[in-house]
Order: sequence, then structure tokens, then C-alpha cells
Amino acid sequence: DAGVIQSPRHEVTEMGQEVTLRCKPISGHNSLFWYRQTMMRGLELLIYFNNNVPIDDSGMPEDRFSAKMPNASFSTLKIQPSEPRDSAVYFCASSFRGQTFYSNQPQHFGDGTRLSIL
Amino acid sequence: GQQVMQIPQYQHVQEGEDFTTYCNSSTTLSNIQWYKQRPGGHPVFLIQLVKSGEVKKQKRLTFQFGEAKKNSSLHITATQTTDVGTYFCADLTNAGKSTFGDGTTLTVKP
Repeated sequence: DAGVIQSPRHEVTEMGQEVTLRCKPISGHNSLFWYRQTMMRGLELLIYFNNNVPIDDSGMPEDRFSAKMPNASFSTLKIQPSEPRDSAVYFCASSFRGQTFYSNQPQHFGDGTRLSIL
Repeated sequence: GQQVMQIPQYQHVQEGEDFTTYCNSSTTLSNIQWYKQRPGGHPVFLIQLVKSGEVKKQKRLTFQFGEAKKNSSLHITATQTTDVGTYFCADLTNAGKSTFGDGTTLTVKP
């Protein structure tokens, strides 16, 4: 089975440019998470969706960041305009969240996008 | 919000020695998930603990959930070089939100 697929794997761009990161979750999963990982701040949850609806975006750094999930098989994280401090590895993860708490399944992570803003 | 603290931040051991990482919270945890991230890789799910006092084993790895559900530990017996990586604990709330600890990075000297 295909896992979580992220693209691009690497992105290098100049500050001020728009950056779009893409994620295809595992088929059948109904929860999707975007994380940012840096040495200084560790693994931070930016936003997560359940059934394509954003549930909690309190981790989104500022208005320059936006995320969408137009359907169950695709999500994007956009940074506009990008800044050097946005350089990080961005992970997308998906899982299945059932009706009861104990039916929640573990998160499956993609390989990440390594973003460098010059 | 919910914070999950992990100690130590780094641990360097000789191959064959044991290793333990601890996960602590000031509030009751809903459940605990443990992940391992190899250098340059992505977090990979290891196990989930739900019940108070629960203990689970995976070969040389032993996972425990505290009686008060405010702490958890991962113990590796007789480390091997393949155990190298960063181990994260994560709290999964009833709302589906996950909060990861800062992780413990393990290095193993052959």
C-alpha cells in the first residue's frame, strides 16, 4: 500500500516567493496533520483536519501560512510570502479517527518536504 | 495547552548498554503514542498505551504508562546500533489533536 505522499521532497527558493507543499494521505484515513520540524522548536503541529474540515489551526505561525483540504485525498500547505525563518522540514501525516476515542489509529508520516528559504 | 516533557534530550550509550527515555505531563494524558525517527527520516509509530499502568513489550523495547497517566517510559535493553534515532512520545487527545514531546536522541557507540 502507498503511504503518505508528499511533494516536493526538497524546495529551495528565495524569500518573498510563494511556496506550496502538497500531501496525499493514505486512502481511507480521515484525519490529516501538518507538522513543522526544526532543531530549535522540534516537531510542531501546525494544523489538522478531520473529514476535510480544519479542526485546530492554532499552531499556524501567522497569516502567511494557510492550509486547505479540498477533498479526502489531497491537502496543501501554502506560505506566502516566504521568509528565511520558515526553513524547516514539513511533514504531513494521516490517520483514521473512529467514532470512539479508543478506535483512533496511529499517525503515518510522509517523507517530508525539506524547505530552504534563502 | 497540554505540554509533554521528555528527558533526557540526548543520550549516548555504548552498544549493549540499556537506555530509557521518560515522558512527563503535569496533567492527565489521554493516551500515549511512541514514535521513532531515524536520522534524515520521518517519525514512525511504535506503540500506543491507553490504560493506566499498562506495560507493553516489543522485543528489546518495553513501554510503560504510569498509574496516574501522567508519565510514560520507553526502555531499550542491550542497545544496538540500529536503535539510533530520536524517540518521541505524543499525547493524543479526545479531540484527535496530538502533542509531541521534544524527543530523546539516542546515539550508540559500537
